[in-house]
Amino acid sequence: SAVISQKPSRDICQRGTSLTIQCQVDSQVTMMFWYRQQPGQSLTLIATANQGSEATYESGFVIDKFPISRPNLTFSTLTVSNMSPEDSSIYLCSGIAGGYHNEQFFGPGTRLTVL
Amino acid sequence: AQSVSQHNHHVILSEAASLELGCNYSYGGTVNLFWYVQYPGQHLQLLLKYFSGDPLVKGIKGFEAEFIKSKFSFNLRKPSVQWSDTAEYFCAVNEGFNKFYFGSGTKLNVKP
Repeated sequence: SAVISQKPSRDICQRGTSLTIQCQVDSQVTMMFWYRQQPGQSLTLIATANQGSEATYESGFVIDKFPISRPNLTFSTLTVSNMSPEDSSIYLCSGIAGGYHNEQFFGPGTRLTVL
Repeated sequence: AQSVSQHNHHVILSEAASLELGCNYSYGGTVNLFWYVQYPGQHLQLLLKYFSGDPLVKGIKGFEAEFIKSKFSFNLRKPSVQWSDTAEYFCAVNEGFNKFYFGSGTKLNVKP
């Protein structure tokens, strides 16, 4: 299986600032995703992180607010820009590893609180 | 786009009771189906998955799920729950090697 780590595990940030979340996978994954899990809700896909090119964003999410990088097959970052309290959420990174029949592995999440 | 419905948002059971959590999806083509579990304070883990073959799938910790294509359903079951099964359960669907769609989740509380 693939093991996914995220940094930071949690943070408390001020309104108007930005936070970059890092996601590291211990093996190559074919696809990487970023999700948001707001309190009491399910996972909402933010975007698919594409290696070496711009991420593919879901409806309601834009690059200016959530810039994503994926410089290689094992690493990605998500930045939450110009934060507001509505951005308080858990942000999850995930990956699909080839050879594991579409099984999606998840990171532990980053709990973000915006004051 | 897919939609995934989980009908039970919050379930409370006593230990040894039987469990069934409903999951329905909207897509009529070939899908892969998953149940994930999130224990308190832990990250999402795969409970079981269905790709093809026997529609009754067995997963970890005594869980099983049955794929009924005609009903677009993939319900999760366990004959006898334990206190340690207290967690949130998510049904997920994907079409091929692509993004996943998640249900809204079901919080299960098992009373000792």
